[in-house]
Formats: sequence, C-alpha cells, structure tokens
Amino acid sequence: DAMVIQNPRYQVTQFGKPVTLSCSQTLNHNVMYWYQQKSSQAPKLLFHYYDKDFNNEADTPDNFQSRRPNTSFCFLDIRSPGLGDAAMYLCATSRDPSAMRLHFGNGTRLTVT
Amino acid sequence: EDKVVQSPLSLVVHEGDTVTLNCSYEVTNFRSLLWYKQEKKAPTFLFMLTSSGIEKKSGRLSSILDKKELFSILNITATQTGDSAIYLCAVEATGNQFYFGTGTSLTVIP
Repeated sequence: DAMVIQNPRYQVTQFGKPVTLSCSQTLNHNVMYWYQQKSSQAPKLLFHYYDKDFNNEADTPDNFQSRRPNTSFCFLDIRSPGLGDAAMYLCATSRDPSAMRLHFGNGTRLTVT
Repeated sequence: EDKVVQSPLSLVVHEGDTVTLNCSYEVTNFRSLLWYKQEKKAPTFLFMLTSSGIEKKSGRLSSILDKKELFSILNITATQTGDSAIYLCAVEATGNQFYFGTGTSLTVIP
C-alpha cells in the first residue's frame, strides 16, 4: 500500500544534542510537509518542500532545518533541541500545494531530556 | 491492525443543510479522538474527545464519542460555504501513537 512512513516512532534525545527525524513516501507526491504538534494543540506547519523548493514558515525557529535528497525522502534536523521542542512531529505529503488532501504519517514522538 | 475509517469520503451539500460526518476506529489502548478541519495548510483543531456520551459544541459544530461502539460523529448545522474543507479524524493511543483517517471532503455550494 502506498503510504507515508516515519522513523523512528519514538525518539529520545538530550538537551542540545542534534537529532534527525526521517520520513519516506511511496505516493510519489511532489510536496512533503513537516508539522510539530504539542499536546492537545493543532499541528503547526514548520516547512514544506515542493519538489526541491524549500518553503519555510515565518515563525519556524532557525534551530529546525530540513533536507529532501530525493522525491521519496525528507528529513527534519533539530540542531540543538530544547525542552520546548518535545512534541509529536508529523510528516505529510500531497500531490501538489493546491491539493487539499494531505496524507499523514503516524508521527515521531520526540522526548528531550 | 489499528485503523481509523471515515465516511463518507466526500459530500456535497447546499448552504443551510445539516451534515453528519462519521469516524469509526479500531485502536488498542485508546486515549483520545480528535477532529480537525483541513483547508490548504495546517489542519485546524476542532475537538478532542476522551469520554463517551459527552457532546462537545462550538458554534454550529458539535461532536460526540461512543467508546462502546468505537465511533464518533461530527455534526455541522446550517452549513456555510466557509465550511468547505476536509475534516480529519485522528485517534491517539497510549504510548503516543497517532492514527489519522483519510478524511471526509465536504463541499458546501451556495
């Protein structure tokens, strides 16, 4: 089945220690998104890639970076995680930016100790 | 296998109509059920439901959860064109696992 897969499901990192979350998709979608979701809050868009074009949200901290080496994979790098970065990180894809339907992965829960 | 199923997949109604969106789930270690409204960018959080039988209401929207029958409904009364969106249902399980349905696409025509 075509899907969006996030690894790992749970990630524990230490304060200030860089961490990378990964997302892969078999849908061959052009757009890949990274969201941060804290408890009982709506997912917050961090950035998205349209093909190789990177689009950062204005309020996304510089601490968050992303890489998309090819259509199928996208990575979220947190350079120096703080305690406030503990959250669920959701990857999603869509066929193009105007498509209303996003396909979400099941998320990576990040804990910062 | 844990899953969340939404129905219908899409719906077209006229302004003023009332709609009911369905979400059924089979998720072990259920913790909460969430409804989102998704337009072009980040989904907008609507409701979080944890207890059976307690209706949550926000304006023209309301939702209720049945943990015995494993489903939830989202009602929208007096629909407006601005209600056109995809409505996502998600279930959170203990252990921080998170399952989304594929959504119901609602179109409200004037």
